[in-house]
Amino acid sequence: DAGVTQSPTHLIKTRGQQVTLRCSPKSGHDTVSWYQQALGQGPQFIFQYYEEEERQRGNFPDRFSGHQFPNYSSELNVNALLLGDSALYLCASSLFLDSPLHFGNGTRLTVT
Amino acid sequence: QQQVKQSPQSLIVQKGGISIINCAYENTAFDYFPWYQQFPGKGPALLIAIRPDVSEKKEGRFTISFNKSAKQFSLHIMDSQPGDSATYFCAASMTSGNTPLVFGKGTRLSVIA
Repeated sequence: DAGVTQSPTHLIKTRGQQVTLRCSPKSGHDTVSWYQQALGQGPQFIFQYYEEEERQRGNFPDRFSGHQFPNYSSELNVNALLLGDSALYLCASSLFLDSPLHFGNGTRLTVT
Repeated sequence: QQQVKQSPQSLIVQKGGISIINCAYENTAFDYFPWYQQFPGKGPALLIAIRPDVSEKKEGRFTISFNKSAKQFSLHIMDSQPGDSATYFCAASMTSGNTPLVFGKGTRLSVIA
């Protein structure tokens, strides 16, 4: 039973560029959440997708957007990258209205 | 405004000792309190979770103690082992699953032989 898988594992981008990160949820899960984890900090909630719609959003600018596909997989897009966007981006899946969250191993994004 | 405060930032414990990590929350609407364990290069993994209707929950060597009136909860790791060396995060949310988790800043635990 595959857990949450994320790709790529590492990514280096230049300031101003755009990036797309991908996530496949744990088998049987229908809800995907994205978190940003800066170095030495706890994960911060970006947004949650269920039934291909953004259901909840944290305190992140519109440069951060996402998508969920019919097979429940999800993408996180970040436009106009800033140096401060460098972080570990974590995808977590769950069953809607149920816990717990299962996290992937993340994508390490470095913006230079 | 940080809604979940975690301490200490780092902790060194002798093998076989007890590791204690504390968290305090502000939002009284929180009713789900999980602890996550994260190894370098890995995502957080759920360790144990508690709801406010009980004051303590134990799973193996891991115990959560919960004090609703003080708005505090703590993780106790009994008989700490070198393999327990990781970063631990407390978190809180309003109802399970559907609402976003608010995480503490983490505690880096090192268990030395």
